[in-house]
Amino acid sequence: AQSVTQLDSQVPVFEEAPVELRCNYSSSVSVYLFWYVQYPNQGLQLLLKYLSGSTLVKGINGFEAEFNKSQTSFHLRKPSVHISDTAEYFCAVTASNDYKLSFGAGTTVTVRA
Amino acid sequence: EAGVTQFPSHSVIEKGQTVTLRCDPISGHDNLYWYRRVMGKEIKFLLHFVKESKQDESGMPNNRFLAERTGGTYSTLKVQPAELEDSGVYFCASSQGGPLNTGELFFGEGSRLTVL
Repeated sequence: AQSVTQLDSQVPVFEEAPVELRCNYSSSVSVYLFWYVQYPNQGLQLLLKYLSGSTLVKGINGFEAEFNKSQTSFHLRKPSVHISDTAEYFCAVTASNDYKLSFGAGTTVTVRA
Repeated sequence: EAGVTQFPSHSVIEKGQTVTLRCDPISGHDNLYWYRRVMGKEIKFLLHFVKESKQDESGMPNNRFLAERTGGTYSTLKVQPAELEDSGVYFCASSQGGPLNTGELFFGEGSRLTVL
């Protein structure tokens, strides 16, 4: 079984500042990693995913994440945030040939002007 | 094309009552999933349908929860009788084809259930 730990429950940040959301996972098998975002009053939307290949993954809205197998991490970053990035962000993991996602508890990002 | 739609968006019921949540997946998606988020905790897997068949219901909390997917189209999740700890947001998701590393999972906006 896999598990995910999101190390920060709340991240306040000023507009145009960088942000990093931390995600660590635990698994005894190879995994695939995802970041989802939930904007207010909307469903979860896929930001980016790591399946294989380059460990630096670029997603929508200027976000990127780096897979680090030795540290079992998949941290999400954006160099300059906008007010519209205010949302809750979820890290998730699945194993090969699996149909289930295991989610972290979520990180709420609040961007202030 | 319509996304995953869920109804109702919010339901408030009293302990002991029954509630039925509905999910309409994206047309053509054979895989349909139910997840639940309780009180700001992790989003947890409940079950997975492939067409009309339950493929995995290992996440269903107990026998007060009943999920169906008639004709492999929409799905319902019934809670009967509801308990206080059932409060949370119930998410439905759908995908085409195979395992999650082969395709994208599309989520609905969720149905918020409040049990008083």
